[in-house]
Amino acid sequence: AQTVTQSQPEMSVQEAETVTLSCTYDTSESDYYLFWYKQPPSRQMILVIRQEAYKQQNATENRFSVNFQKAAKSFSLKISDSQLGDAAMYFCAYSGSGGSNYKLTFGKGTLLTVNP
Amino acid sequence: GAGVSQSPSNKVTEKGKDVELRCDPISGHTALYWYRQSLGQGLEFLIYFQGNSAPDKSGLPSDRFSAERTGGSVSTLTIQRTQQEDSAVYLCASSYNREIYGYTFGSGTRLTVV
Repeated sequence: AQTVTQSQPEMSVQEAETVTLSCTYDTSESDYYLFWYKQPPSRQMILVIRQEAYKQQNATENRFSVNFQKAAKSFSLKISDSQLGDAAMYFCAYSGSGGSNYKLTFGKGTLLTVNP
Repeated sequence: GAGVSQSPSNKVTEKGKDVELRCDPISGHTALYWYRQSLGQGLEFLIYFQGNSAPDKSGLPSDRFSAERTGGSVSTLTIQRTQQEDSAVYLCASSYNREIYGYTFGSGTRLTVV
């Protein structure tokens, strides 16, 4: 079974600075998808960024980028120019490819605090 | 609708009572998922619907939990004879082509059993 590990229960960053959230995963599959979700106090899980395992290029969405190391099974999230609105719980998630691999497996989450 | 809608937002119920949680997915999303989020267990998969059928109910924790989906749209998660350990946030997500567009989540229902 796939597992996702987020080793940092909490992180803090100063406004305008850069922070990196770590995620490792375990799978025997070669094709899969990785996600970072943000969950603010409103509880809604908001998709921040996604990465297809077959793509070597790291995904980027504005101030958010990932460092995807397939061999190391590592998928870290970098937030540049941190803003107060970035404060939230961040979850790393894994989904296999194909019709039978529809489940999202989540890490335990990292609580990000942004200090003004 | 524009997003995944869940109701109620919060529910407090007495131990032993039945509760129904509702999820209204994005129009056209054929797949629907229920997850449970609790402090001790993180996010757990409960059940998956493709259209109106549920090919995977493996995550339902006991026979007190059931779910249905009608018209390929609205889904209801029912918990019978609620217990205190059922207290959690119940999240619903839907997807159309998850490999391209991923999953869209609702804001969840916070269930408190007293």
